Amino acid sequence: DIQMTQSPSSLSASVGDRVTITCRASQGISNSLAWYQQKPGKAPKLLLYAASRLESGVPSRFSGSGSGTDYTLTISSLQPEDFATYYCQQYYSTPPTFGQGTKVEIK
Amino acid sequence: EVQLVESGGGLVQPGGSLRLSCAASGFTFSSYWMHWVRQAPGKGLVWVSRINSDGSSTSYADSVKGRFTISRDNAKNTLYLQMNSLRAEDTAVYYCASDPWQLNWFDPWGQGTLVTVSS
Repeated sequence: DIQMTQSPSSLSASVGDRVTITCRASQGISNSLAWYQQKPGKAPKLLLYAASRLESGVPSRFSGSGSGTDYTLTISSLQPEDFATYYCQQYYSTPPTFGQGTKVEIK
Repeated sequence: EVQLVESGGGLVQPGGSLRLSCAASGFTFSSYWMHWVRQAPGKGLVWVSRINSDGSSTSYADSVKGRFTISRDNAKNTLYLQMNSLRAEDTAVYYCASDPWQLNWFDPWGQGTLVTVSS
């Protein structure tokens, strides 16, 4: 199975800050990476797929980049509704696997 | 509007069985792969199982293989997860999710149903 490692596990930031979350795969995944946002007590929501493609309806302050084994999710200007936990997920091979999550908290 | 609604969760004793359902609406259910993903309390997301659009092909995580069975009824727009020989470590919120591009990513997700395995 491909292991996905996110960093940091948590971070504190203020509204308006630029936030970057990193996801590293244990082997190359050819941009087969999705990012999800999960708020407490709610189901995850797809933000990006193919490493950098924004899902319809997702604000443009979210962006993704990377290649090979290393990928990033960037929130250009953090908004109050963005405080949540973010997960990366590889779909390059079965079983699909998730990172452990990054909790974005209010500073 | 695409909607997935899970049901069937609850408290079950170790070794017991439970069947989860996921009712789909707002899209052509019979064209989509479907998945179950679970999340133990306070923990991360773990993929459980996948079924293709006509139900002829399935896949399972090693942790549930031989104990869980995924199935679907396209006439009823419903996905199922039969869970047997349940263990304490199966305690989790179980989400169903659709996979419109058949690529093993998940969009959208249902609201989840809690399964608690305890004596």
